[in-house]
Amino acid sequence: AQSVTQPDARVTVSEGASLQLRCKYSYSGTPYLFWYVQYPRQGLQLLLKYYSGDPVVQGVNGFEAEFIKSNSSFHLRKASVHWSDSAVYFCAVSGGGNQGKLIFGQGTKLSIKP
Amino acid sequence: GPKVLQIPSHQIIDMGQMVTLNCDPVSNHLYFYWYKQILGQQMEFLVNFYNGKVMEKSKLFKDQFSVERPDGSYFTLKIQPTALEDSAVYFCASGGKNTLYFGAGTRLSVL
Repeated sequence: AQSVTQPDARVTVSEGASLQLRCKYSYSGTPYLFWYVQYPRQGLQLLLKYYSGDPVVQGVNGFEAEFIKSNSSFHLRKASVHWSDSAVYFCAVSGGGNQGKLIFGQGTKLSIKP
Repeated sequence: GPKVLQIPSHQIIDMGQMVTLNCDPVSNHLYFYWYKQILGQQMEFLVNFYNGKVMEKSKLFKDQFSVERPDGSYFTLKIQPTALEDSAVYFCASGGKNTLYFGAGTRLSVL
């Protein structure tokens, strides 16, 4: 079955610390992988996406993610978080045929301690 | 960046009534989507719409649901009649070929 798992419902890190948000997927075809962020009372915004090529993809605001096929993972990383990174982060997967048909994880709520 | 607007942000209705959720997509986008998120669960694909037609729908897209975009105006999701299990946040998205833009969602409460 196609699915995305974000094992951590909530993550709290100190401002300036590094961050990793975990994502594992199960997908039978070639996966297209995405990370979205949702700030309060706003729509989801695309952080980054992976289709092919270099498995480490750079996104906005210093975020990056690494596609590891052998592990079926697409973890999100940031070297140094800022208080404004507090939000809910969603990992998603789709196939090539209907790229807008996304399968989402349950999201990880990130809180930043001052 | 481009914005998808959803109106209203919260709607409360009685079970059995009809409701229409409105989405103002990004202009010149051709693909439109609705997603449903029940509280505490992940967002799930409902339907996508292209060139005036439903392209694909999930098992969550019940017979009581319909979508349309008359004359290039709002992209709408209509539920008639509503049921208690329709209570959720409904997200609209529009896109070009490779990127989706999401609205902030409409919270539907069916009493």
